[in-house]
Amino acid sequence: DTEVTQTPKHLVMGMTNKKSLKCEQHMGHRAMYWYKQKAKKPPELMFVYSYEKLSINESVPSRFSPECPNSSLLNLHLHALQPEDSALYLCASSQEQVRGGTEAFFGQGTRLTVV
Amino acid sequence: DAKTTQPNSMESNEEEPVHLPCNHSTISGTDYIHWYRQLPSQGPEYVIHGLTSNVNNRMASLAIAEDRKSSTLILHRATLRDAAVYYCILRDSTGGGSNYKLTFGKGTLLTVNP
Repeated sequence: DTEVTQTPKHLVMGMTNKKSLKCEQHMGHRAMYWYKQKAKKPPELMFVYSYEKLSINESVPSRFSPECPNSSLLNLHLHALQPEDSALYLCASSQEQVRGGTEAFFGQGTRLTVV
Repeated sequence: DAKTTQPNSMESNEEEPVHLPCNHSTISGTDYIHWYRQLPSQGPEYVIHGLTSNVNNRMASLAIAEDRKSSTLILHRATLRDAAVYYCILRDSTGGGSNYKLTFGKGTLLTVNP
């Protein structure tokens, strides 16, 4: 199983709502990532978890709150978002020791619209 | 992070080979060269990677210049399904910290004509 599964596929939320994005992988990968992608732009890294601990936060606003409850699951909690946060949110995973020579696997993303 | 430079767009005809170039003049000795592609409305997909030697897999070939300052992704027979944005990315081969990053540049939009 080389899949990274993201749910939901689409999400529309108001600026006062709280919602969560979910990502799951069963490849035994110990590094998991959240990316944000705006239309016609490359993915931008938001967070990296390594062994369920937050390893990298690319200065993401606190209205985005990541969580890694176990080695297979990664969540992104959303609160008080702005319309400009509308984007495709991608999850990825890779083996523990990335060491440049291993690949990352991406989910199909959650298309988020903030109204 | 070491940077890569790719053409914004390229065009090819179906069933013809495609050579996608990437310049990475500041590459360090520990950087692997990775290629990913992103088809419309999908997440990025790993294509191939290499360090020094040329590499082949079922999807593509990677030709790395002797000085490693450039590389070329080769699709041997382009199909309409190969139309995508292709990203050339450098990843440090040493472990830990910022090496978990996978930083995307602008990539090359490949159009395949029937």
